[in-house]
Amino acid sequence: DGGITQSPKYLFRKEGQNVTLSCEQNLNHDAMYWYRQDPGQGLRLIYYSQIVNDFQKGDIAEGYSVSREKKESFPLTVTSAQKNPTAFYLCASSMRQAPYEQYFGPGTRLTVT
Amino acid sequence: GQQLNQSPQSMFIQEGEDVSMNCTSSSIFNTWLWYKQDPGEGPVLLIALYKAGELTSNGRLTAQFGITRKDSFLNISASIPSDVGIYFCAGAYNTNAGKSTFGDGTTLTVKP
Repeated sequence: DGGITQSPKYLFRKEGQNVTLSCEQNLNHDAMYWYRQDPGQGLRLIYYSQIVNDFQKGDIAEGYSVSREKKESFPLTVTSAQKNPTAFYLCASSMRQAPYEQYFGPGTRLTVT
Repeated sequence: GQQLNQSPQSMFIQEGEDVSMNCTSSSIFNTWLWYKQDPGEGPVLLIALYKAGELTSNGRLTAQFGITRKDSFLNISASIPSDVGIYFCAGAYNTNAGKSTFGDGTTLTVKP
């Protein structure tokens, strides 16, 4: 079955630690995205990548970093510089022909204490 | 940046009732999308609209791309319990390849 996987579903970290969230897709999509969702709010774009080895900052990139070494994978690192990292993180992908029609993974809920 | 105002924020309805929600923007968009999110899961695309005035259906769901290009509407007919969830609108402009702006969502509760 084709789809997007994010792991783990729940992640707990101590303040001051970097943490990397995994996102893998086997849909052969060119573009991939990372969003952050806080309770009662919509999705805010962190980073996106349209092709391998290239990515752009979204609206809230500060305190985050990404890499795109393979078409299938787009890991997100939440660094200790992110002031309020506890949130629900969603990864998405889309085809080149329909970039706005995004397919989302199941999300990772990160809790930092 | 661009902002979307989605209303209502929440709705409580009886099973079988019709539902209407809308999304407005201060900027024009070339694409409007509607997603549904179940609790603790990722959103799922329901309908994509690409032309002003376009009316598109997906089962009991119907969405419209407003003529002004600054708004969109979603209707759900004859609601059922599995319609429960958060409905998000998203707008996009062609020059922001792949970048969409999301509304804050409408939370729908359906009472059996």
